[in-house]
Amino acid sequence: GAGVSQSPSNKVTEKGKDVELRCDPISGHTALYWYRQSLGQGLEFLIYFQGNSAPDKSGLPSDRFSAERTGGSVSTLTIQRTQQEDSAVYLCASSLANYSRGRETQYFGPGTRLLVL
Amino acid sequence: AQKVTQAQTEISVVEKEDVTLDCVYETRDTTYYLFWYKQPPSGELVFLIRRNSFDEQNEISGRYSWNFQKSTSSFNFTITASQVVDSAVYFCALSGRSYNTDKLIFGTGTRLQVFP
Repeated sequence: GAGVSQSPSNKVTEKGKDVELRCDPISGHTALYWYRQSLGQGLEFLIYFQGNSAPDKSGLPSDRFSAERTGGSVSTLTIQRTQQEDSAVYLCASSLANYSRGRETQYFGPGTRLLVL
Repeated sequence: AQKVTQAQTEISVVEKEDVTLDCVYETRDTTYYLFWYKQPPSGELVFLIRRNSFDEQNEISGRYSWNFQKSTSSFNFTITASQVVDSAVYFCALSGRSYNTDKLIFGTGTRLQVFP
């Protein structure tokens, strides 16, 4: 059984460019989450998907950030017009059930390390 | 508000020492879940344990043990006879309270360095 996979592993971009980060959850996991880990802010929640819907987008820091999920599986996090403060590790996690309120464990991918120059 | 506090930023021990990582949480929920994750130098968050708020039994798994005390809102993690491979950042987390989210609220992490 494969775990959560993310691509690319590393991404270096110039300020102002758009980037797309991809997450493949564990097969059969209906819930998917994006988190961001940066030096100053620790681990922050960004967005939560149940199937293809996102009932909680409260952690997205600005309207430059968006995410979608298709087919109840793969998710893409897009950052438009990147800024240097967007530099961080972006982590994706998945779990078995929706609305489980913690009853199902979230399993994390290896992350995408984003550096905005 | 929900919050997780890991007051110990960094701990250094010598191999074979026991070490306890502290976690204090705040929530108004009566039902919640607590987690510990390990982040080794490779960067991936590795799940260690999940505990629900109704189960205050301590848990032991090999050299790892967890002490959950609702009275003090703490969920501490002890590594017995530490090894170099235990060197990592350890995160404590609390499940979110809203019905429309399963987000985790993380503490700031404790970096553990085990020296040979």
